[in-house]
Amino acid sequence: AQSVTQLDSQVPVFEEAPVELRCNYSSSVSVYLFWYVQYPNQGLQLLLKYLSGSTLVKSINGFEAEFNKSQTSFHLRKPSVHISDTAEYFCAATRSNTGFQKLVFGTGTRLLVSP
Amino acid sequence: IAGITQAPTSQILAAGRRMTLRCTQDMRHNAMYWYRQDLGLGLRLIHYSNTAGTTGKGEVPDGYSVSRANTDDFPLTLASAVPSQTSVYFCASSELAGLNEQFFGPGTRLTVL
Repeated sequence: AQSVTQLDSQVPVFEEAPVELRCNYSSSVSVYLFWYVQYPNQGLQLLLKYLSGSTLVKSINGFEAEFNKSQTSFHLRKPSVHISDTAEYFCAATRSNTGFQKLVFGTGTRLLVSP
Repeated sequence: IAGITQAPTSQILAAGRRMTLRCTQDMRHNAMYWYRQDLGLGLRLIHYSNTAGTTGKGEVPDGYSVSRANTDDFPLTLASAVPSQTSVYFCASSELAGLNEQFFGPGTRLTVL
């Protein structure tokens, strides 16, 4: 079964510093990867996704993630964080698109940005 | 405003009671999902539905049931609540099952005493 690992449960960082949130997935012939963000007391929102093509994908608010097949990773990065980026971030994966494929979520990483 | 609504927002429930969490979407999405979110465990899929009239079991289905009588509604029922079902419950939907973005509701915080 597909599995997703987020080793860091919490990442504290100062405002304007760079950040990387790590995500590793179990190897599969085909895999589709997602990062979701959950702001306090809200549901999850899609941040970015990798389905095919360029291995570097970007969001509209400055986050990016790179699909690395050899390392089975999909780490999320931002060169300069803002206070408003404080949230919980979930990596998720699903396998080949034949038939119904359920998203498998990691346990989440809480990003804490302080001034 | 298009999206997913969930009711109630929060609920405290005595063990052994029956409870239905409501979920409605107005995006005409085919697929709908119920997740529970627990600290340190992330989101786990309880039940899902590919399309109206069909449902399937997720990772943690025991103690829960669902129905999908129409496209818009996907209620989750706890027949006899237990304290281990204390959690935050999220409903989600997607246009097609699998690769498409899942849209999440605001969640229901359930406490079973």
